[in-house]
Amino acid sequence: DVKVTQSSRYLVKRTGEKVFLECVQDMDHENMFWYRQDPGLGLRLIYFSYDVKMKEKGDIPEGYSVSREKKERFSLILESASTNQTSMYLCASSRDYNEQFFGPGTRLTVL
Amino acid sequence: RKEVEQDPGPFNVPEGATVAFNCTYSNSASQSFFWYRQDCRKEPKLLMSVYSSGNEDGRFTAQLNRASQYISLLIRDSKLSDSATYLCVSYYGGSQGNLIFGKGTKLSVKP
Repeated sequence: DVKVTQSSRYLVKRTGEKVFLECVQDMDHENMFWYRQDPGLGLRLIYFSYDVKMKEKGDIPEGYSVSREKKERFSLILESASTNQTSMYLCASSRDYNEQFFGPGTRLTVL
Repeated sequence: RKEVEQDPGPFNVPEGATVAFNCTYSNSASQSFFWYRQDCRKEPKLLMSVYSSGNEDGRFTAQLNRASQYISLLIRDSKLSDSATYLCVSYYGGSQGNLIFGKGTKLSVKP
């Protein structure tokens, strides 16, 4: 059974804190993605990675960075969290463009 | 970036009804399309892929109209368990990041 796991289901942080969201997949997929999902705005791509140490910006990369040191792990970093980064964060992985497998999501609240 | 448009709903239908959603896309270069299902507070999961004119899987039928640039999803004999948000996705080739998610159509099936 394919699996994408995320380090936390719920997270509460304070403005200005550095936040790490971790994602791990066990399917040996080349591609990994970070999205945020907000009511009325749908899923928006923050960053994706198509190989170890490779990354590309998505539609809304500002305020975020990513790290992919190992094939199975893709981390999203909020260098200095702000209240407008309160959202549901979804990680996904895929072998190609055909199907993305999503993790359960991390609901981040920034106070 | 090109857009994928969906009627947000909600579509409220009785059990056993047939319901159809449409999704329009603006990028004529879109190569393939997908319908994802997202249950409340859960991650999206692939329901169906559409590469040519359409696809059918049990009670679900997806049809693609390239001339008018829309994809439809038809659900026959609706079940209570079909209640979810349905996301339309297009892939317009090249980078793995070139997947565009619609904002989703909410379906509520009532007894």
